[in-house]
Amino acid sequence: DAKTTQPPSMDCAEGRAANLPCNHSTISGNEYVYWYRQIHSQGPQYIIHGLKNNETNEMASLIITEDRKSSTLILPHATLRDTAVYYCIVHGGTSYGKLTFGQGTILTVHP
Amino acid sequence: DAGITQSPRHKVTETGTPVTLRCHQTENHRYMYWYRQDPGHGLRLIHYSYGVKDTDKGEVSDGYSVSRSKTEDFLLTLESATSSQTSVYFCAISELGGNEKLFFGSGTQLSVL
Repeated sequence: DAKTTQPPSMDCAEGRAANLPCNHSTISGNEYVYWYRQIHSQGPQYIIHGLKNNETNEMASLIITEDRKSSTLILPHATLRDTAVYYCIVHGGTSYGKLTFGQGTILTVHP
Repeated sequence: DAGITQSPRHKVTETGTPVTLRCHQTENHRYMYWYRQDPGHGLRLIHYSYGVKDTDKGEVSDGYSVSRSKTEDFLLTLESATSSQTSVYFCAISELGGNEKLFFGSGTQLSVL
């Protein structure tokens, strides 16, 4: 699976959009981009995933660049409960459950 | 939230004793996984199952065994616990193998003294 690079930490004001970047310059054609988050001491939570088109669900939006070498997770209206570690993972569908969780980005949402 | 229950939530044991952690799901998902999470290492896959009685090793399987006799239960056993197995253990499930939309349990904090 391709390696990802994320900033170690980011801050965001409550009510504003949180834009979390991820670089994955070695991504291959059949690999998806997944985002998970982990709130302190809880299990990771799936957020969203995509291949090459932008995706949106009730939690977030995922913007993938045309060359697929980077992506951005957008939380449109961040709340204090969105404070968590956010993991960007690139994974091809050939290895069951073998997601590689890196160090992620610690997002802190401030009042 | 996905119906995943891990038990026990916390356990303290002594080196050399056997330990079994249980993961129970009510989603009827085919795939189940055991991860461990340690500072500096992120989450690492221990074992996974792709059906009843069908299991395979993950990245850090040494010292662990698993069993799955029913769709809903996936057991992780430490035959002889060591201090290096002190960790937080997470169970996860998914409906489709390869489509990595995993749902995780709340975790088990295991301390081996």
